[in-house]
Amino acid sequence: GAGVSQTPSNKVTEKGKYVELRCDPISGHTALYWYRQSLGQGPEFLIYFQGTGAADDSGLPNDRFFAVRPEGSVSTLKIQRTERGDSAVYLCASSLSKRGDRGEQFFGPGTRLTVL
Amino acid sequence: LAKTTQPISMDSYEGQEVNITCSHNNIATNDYITWYQQFPSQGPRFIIQGYKTKVTNEVASLFIPADRKSSTLSLPRVSLSDTAVYYCLVGAPMTGGFKTIFGAGTRLFVKA
Repeated sequence: GAGVSQTPSNKVTEKGKYVELRCDPISGHTALYWYRQSLGQGPEFLIYFQGTGAADDSGLPNDRFFAVRPEGSVSTLKIQRTERGDSAVYLCASSLSKRGDRGEQFFGPGTRLTVL
Repeated sequence: LAKTTQPISMDSYEGQEVNITCSHNNIATNDYITWYQQFPSQGPRFIIQGYKTKVTNEVASLFIPADRKSSTLSLPRVSLSDTAVYYCLVGAPMTGGFKTIFGAGTRLFVKA
């Protein structure tokens, strides 16, 4: 079956530019998560959605980062005025998130963002 | 959210059993213990989850003592393909999802 997909797989941009990263979760999964992972570090939580709404966005580092999930399926992570420190792999995960579910998250392959 | 502590790295040889211990002294009553595995250039993958005592699946076993302040992931007879980073997480799966905190994980190197 189809897993979580993320596009693009790689994105190179210049400092100050705007970027959008897309995540297609597993069909039927109501919870969607975004993480950022730097080299040698574990995934850093950014935000998670339950349906269309952001249930917890406490991990977003500043107001340059924003994420949406307008129809409760596909999500887009938006980064304005990119900085070199934003360079990382951005991971998306989804989970079934129903009563009795163990909360297993299924991860996509990630988008590698490089800000020059 | 309960903080976890794991060894930064471990080495092993093919065919050996590997045990990775995670400390979570502040685990809450409703928290479960979950382990993920991550290969280079891939997202993490769920391995196993438990609440207390022992859980076993086709990949690993998870041992949790009565006080639940630590847990041990056991990988039987590792192979080179088990070289990866292993993350221990604690949290309460809830309807709707929950904030998940990954630490730095344990880098396991399996040698021939």
